[in-house]
Amino acid sequence: QKEVEQDPGPLSVPEGAIVSLNCTYSNSAFQYFMWYRQYSRKGPELLMYTYSSGNKEDGRFTAQVDKSSKYISLFIRDSQPSDSATYLCAMRTGGFKTIFGAGTRLFVKA
Amino acid sequence: EAGVTQFPSHSVIEKGQTVTLRCDPISGHDNLYWYRRVMGKEIKFLLHFVKESKQDESGMPNNRFLAERTGGTYSTLKVQPAELEDSGVYFCASSQESRSNEKLFFGSGTQLSVL
Repeated sequence: QKEVEQDPGPLSVPEGAIVSLNCTYSNSAFQYFMWYRQYSRKGPELLMYTYSSGNKEDGRFTAQVDKSSKYISLFIRDSQPSDSATYLCAMRTGGFKTIFGAGTRLFVKA
Repeated sequence: EAGVTQFPSHSVIEKGQTVTLRCDPISGHDNLYWYRRVMGKEIKFLLHFVKESKQDESGMPNNRFLAERTGGTYSTLKVQPAELEDSGVYFCASSQESRSNEKLFFGSGTQLSVL
């Protein structure tokens, strides 16, 4: 079983839609939860970071962590074509090794 | 400020040959990481440097892979001899502070194809 499960998609939505991206994980020792955005032929770029359970909001993006369910989510409001990218969830325990999900490809149609 | 730079962006080699990938981290970043994504799989950790010291190389697949970071600046990752299964995208990342919630800055990666 993978430590982090993420549906690879692709996910296609119309411009302006609310996007929901999710990951589940199996290691209860994970404490740090991240979402990265990766455009084609580029490296991952940190989008959101959350420590332990709870919500975090940054502009159109909201990250949620539910440690009791081992489930994390990223919501994108008012999605734009420029949001089209691969979104990777990532996690860490207290160490320095980041565990990534497979990434979900998102297409936002104008 | 320049980001993390990786060279080359693409490399195509034959099985059995040697390839060396280079990473220039952001200036002043003591932490340097190598990650790899093989086709259809997740990005996976290879190793972690703090300055010139290897802190964790538990993700290195085997002894055909050798990473160095001379003087605590740029890093190289050598694959010798390359095998077909080594094909993938190799990412380098750096961070300024050694803490669990550090922000990683990734390079654009080197696409390695072993034929």
